[in-house]
Amino acid sequence: EIVLTQSPDFQSVTPKEKVTITCRASQYIGSSLHWYQQKPDQSPKLLIKYASQSVSGVPSRFSGSGSGTDFTLTINSLEAEDAAAYYCHQSSSLPNTFGQGTKLQIK
Amino acid sequence: EVQLVQSGAEVKKPGESLRISCETSGYTFISYWISWVRQMPGKGLEWMGRIDPSDSYTNYSPSFQGHVTITADKSISTAYLQWSSLKASDTAMYYCTTGSGWFDSWGQGTLVTVSS
Repeated sequence: EIVLTQSPDFQSVTPKEKVTITCRASQYIGSSLHWYQQKPDQSPKLLIKYASQSVSGVPSRFSGSGSGTDFTLTINSLEAEDAAAYYCHQSSSLPNTFGQGTKLQIK
Repeated sequence: EVQLVQSGAEVKKPGESLRISCETSGYTFISYWISWVRQMPGKGLEWMGRIDPSDSYTNYSPSFQGHVTITADKSISTAYLQWSSLKASDTAMYYCTTGSGWFDSWGQGTLVTVSS
């Protein structure tokens, strides 16, 4: 089973700040890595697919990069509405797995 | 518009059986796998397994294999997650989701509470 390790687990940030969340896979997964945002009491929402591909309707301040085992989600100019938990997910092999999540708190 | 509508919250006792549903619309049901994802209270997302609605072929995470069963009825575009004997540790929110590898459509979630 591929283990995805995110860092940090928690981050307190101010509006307009740039945020970087990393996701490291325990083995090679190519670009089969996707990012989700989950706000309290809501279902997860897809932000980025295949490591760096944008998703329709997602603000352009969200971007992704990486391949192989190391991946990054970047939020440029953070907004108050970005307070949420963020998860990476790999679909390279079965079982699919998620990272443990990163909680962003807005100061 | 793709929609996944899940059945309502359930309160059950340990040892009871349960089946929750995920009714889909807005796309061709047999075209995409449907996965189930668990989220225990205050915790992260866990992939449980998936079903190919075209032939009901399933894959399960080892963590859930043998404890849950995923089925689908393509005549009514609905997927199911079922337990034959619930445990208190099954208390969680359960989501159905679909997409082409990534998960771009999600149900609203079904809260399952198991308590004596």
